[in-house]
Parts: sequence; C-alpha cells; structure tokens
Amino acid sequence: GAVVSQHPSWVICKSGTSVKIECRSLDFQATTMFWYRQFPKQSLMLMATSNEGSKATHEQGVEKDKFLINHASLTLSTLTVTSAHPEDSSFYICSARDPRDFYGYTFGSGTRLTVV
Amino acid sequence: QKEVEQNSGPLSVPEGAIASLNCTYSDRGSQSFFWYRQYSGKSPELIMFIYSNGDKEDGRFTAQLNKASQYVSLLIRDSQPSDSATYLCAVNIGNQFYFGTGTSLTVIP
Repeated sequence: GAVVSQHPSWVICKSGTSVKIECRSLDFQATTMFWYRQFPKQSLMLMATSNEGSKATHEQGVEKDKFLINHASLTLSTLTVTSAHPEDSSFYICSARDPRDFYGYTFGSGTRLTVV
Repeated sequence: QKEVEQNSGPLSVPEGAIASLNCTYSDRGSQSFFWYRQYSGKSPELIMFIYSNGDKEDGRFTAQLNKASQYVSLLIRDSQPSDSATYLCAVNIGNQFYFGTGTSLTVIP
C-alpha cells in the first residue's frame, strides 16, 4: 500500500526557534497533502491543505505566517513552525492520498514537537 | 456543532467479546466514512471505510452505515487485548476529513 514518511518523529526546540517537519510520499505522487495537529486526548484537527505548486490553504484560526507550508514537489511537503512557543507543543501528522486509490488516505508516522 | 461525534469512553470489554463503537455525523453531504485505530503516541491507521448503507465486513471488523439516521458504527468481534486503542471515526466531505474525538477501548484479558 501507499507509504507516507514523516521526519523527524520527535523534536525538542527552544522557544522562539523554528522547526521544520517533512512529509514524503514514497511510492506515489501526491498533489495534495494535509497537515493535522493533535493535542493530548483530543482529536486530529486539520491545520492546512498543502497543494503542489501553489499556496497552501490554512484553516480558520491557523496563522499562515506561523505555520509555513511548502509543497515544492509531488512527493514532498514541509511544515515549518516559526517562532515556536510552548503552546505549539503537540503531535503533528501529515496525510496524503494516493491518486490510484480514491479512499487511500495514508498518514505519516507523526512528529512529536516539544517546545521548551 | 461538531461534524463528527463519538462517545469518548473508556469502553471496556472482556477478551473474546464484541466491542461496539458508535459515531454520528451532522452533514448529510458526507460521502464516505472511515474508522481509524490509534495507539498512544502513534499515528492513526485505517481499519475500514464504508460509503454505502448497510454492513461491510473485513475479518473481525464490521462497519455499519445508516445515512438516514446519520450514524456509522464499528463492531469488533472476538476482541483481543491488542485491539486496545483509541478508535477514530472520520467523515469525508469533499476533499476534507473531519475526525471525531475518538473512543478509547480497553480489552481485558
């Protein structure tokens, strides 16, 4: 089946610094990727939809200048958390759909971000 | 109003029993419905999807969809301790997914 690789799996950073998270589709091309955030004991919340070659669409309440998304190729999307603060500490998960499978939304393994 | 609602649980069942998980959704335009299993600290993994009214079976799992009543359920037969996890219901509307808060299931050996 489709595989989505996410890196790093965990990261600790100092408050005020930036962190980049990568999401790669390994065996398919993904024109669209999705970025979610999950706080402890809460559900996944869609942050933004990443479109290859165009601007990402951020959900209401998600600052586009704080959560920068780049989808420069059909297999790679990156999420950069700029000027991170402790309240940004969360589990970030990307997802992509294999166009060969209409229902095939695959999740990456997730990134645990801790801002200290 | 939340798009997708689930009972957060926890739900406990003895090993070998049937676990029943329920989910309701608000948007009648919802097209397809998914059940994901998420272990603590891990990413969700797809168990099943369903898009037509009725039942869909896959091994020990059965998804049931009733569009008129706007609910979707997941039955797990012969529950195993390894089934202990949080189960997320997700609804696909257009190109977006909406997730419920998940139901925590514990299977007691």
